[in-house]
Amino acid sequence: DTEVTQTPKHLVMGMTNKKSLKCEQHMGHRAMYWYKQKAKKPPELMFVYSYEKLSINESVPSRFSPECPNSSLLNLHLHALQPEDSALYLCASSQDREGGNQNTEAFFGQGTRLTVV
Amino acid sequence: GEDVEQSLFLSVREGDSSVINCTYTDSSSTYLYWYKQEPGAGLQLLTYIFSNMDMKQDQRLTVLLNKKDKHLSLRIADTQTGDSAIYFCAERDNNNDMRFGAGTRLTVKP
Repeated sequence: DTEVTQTPKHLVMGMTNKKSLKCEQHMGHRAMYWYKQKAKKPPELMFVYSYEKLSINESVPSRFSPECPNSSLLNLHLHALQPEDSALYLCASSQDREGGNQNTEAFFGQGTRLTVV
Repeated sequence: GEDVEQSLFLSVREGDSSVINCTYTDSSSTYLYWYKQEPGAGLQLLTYIFSNMDMKQDQRLTVLLNKKDKHLSLRIADTQTGDSAIYFCAERDNNNDMRFGAGTRLTVKP
């Protein structure tokens, strides 16, 4: 099983709304990632959790708040977003981030397409 | 500019071979990856190659790595219309996180 499941698949929210994106994997991976992908662009890394601790926050605005309740789950809480935040939000996981000669290939979910109106 | 570079478009006829090229800058990259993204979908890992290899074959896919020139290519044999997608080359950066190229949009004409 190499599946990363994201919900919802689509989300439309107003600029005053609060919503959450969810991601789940059962591969025993200890690193989980949030990426943002605008149309015709590569994914951009937002956050990385390693062993349930936030290890990278790529200068993302505070209106995006990640949470890793346990090793299988990753959430992204959204509040007071702007229309320019509309994008495909991708979750990924990998075995870990310890590096060396270990292959830490990342498996991606299908994404949540977010539209902020 | 990006550290991983790819040409943006490639168009081939069904049944032909496709070759998608990528250059990267981090000579310490241990693994290099090819991902496929269909419209509106997530990224699907196609294949990867370890930096001490120069070739890897997996069914219709052949990955060639020239470590000296930091050049990676993906060859798809007998390209089908279902292969139409965006193909991303990626390397692991110093933090062992994925760094992606801009993606090559492959169009397969019948």
